[in-house]
Amino acid sequence: DQQVKQNSPSLSVQEGRISILNCDYTNSMFDYFLWYKKYPAEGPTFLISISSIKDKNEDGRFTVFLNKSAKHLSLHIVPSQPGDSAVYFCAASASNTGNQFYFGTGTSLTVIP
Amino acid sequence: EAGVVQSPRYKIIEKKQPVAFWCNPISGHNTLYWYLQNLGQGPELLIRYENEEAVDDSQLPKDRFSAERLKGVDSTLKIQPAELGDSAVYLCASSFSGANYNEQFFGPGTRLTVL
Repeated sequence: DQQVKQNSPSLSVQEGRISILNCDYTNSMFDYFLWYKKYPAEGPTFLISISSIKDKNEDGRFTVFLNKSAKHLSLHIVPSQPGDSAVYFCAASASNTGNQFYFGTGTSLTVIP
Repeated sequence: EAGVVQSPRYKIIEKKQPVAFWCNPISGHNTLYWYLQNLGQGPELLIRYENEEAVDDSQLPKDRFSAERLKGVDSTLKIQPAELGDSAVYLCASSFSGANYNEQFFGPGTRLTVL
């Protein structure tokens, strides 16, 4: 039972344009959400997070939006750069589960120069 | 600051053989996680330690998998005997449980191939 879903396995975007990666979740108890970025042969690295008390969190070129009613979050990267090419994982956790993260299946982003 | 260290990075074994993976978390991180990542999937939790205590091992296949975290620092994950379906990347992560929400820091993983 996949509680966190990333329905787009891949995405290609031109350099300088906006990349939008989407994530849906089913468990209404999730109250903390994160995005991780993964390069080949490396472990995932933390990118940005958002608590359920917010609907937006911004860090430089990266913004995460949370729509609790739709159980949907998205990651916006603007402007996209070739170095952003990686696999992006969405993760969610509930404060009553001891920081257990549930990961989506990932979206492979390719930024075309 | 050194990150999460894992070894070996790659391991190829024949089925029915034993294998062990080692993880050294970030200094001061009391929580350690072992994840399994199959190709095209996200990481899935196998076991979580708080210091030396395994507080969540519900997803660990205990018939063949075992883990330990002696002294609450580094950890070892073992598979005995390995099966073809165990081929995957095994990720170790650590975090500091000093706040409500804790970012997990991942190691580079061990890629296991079972022939």
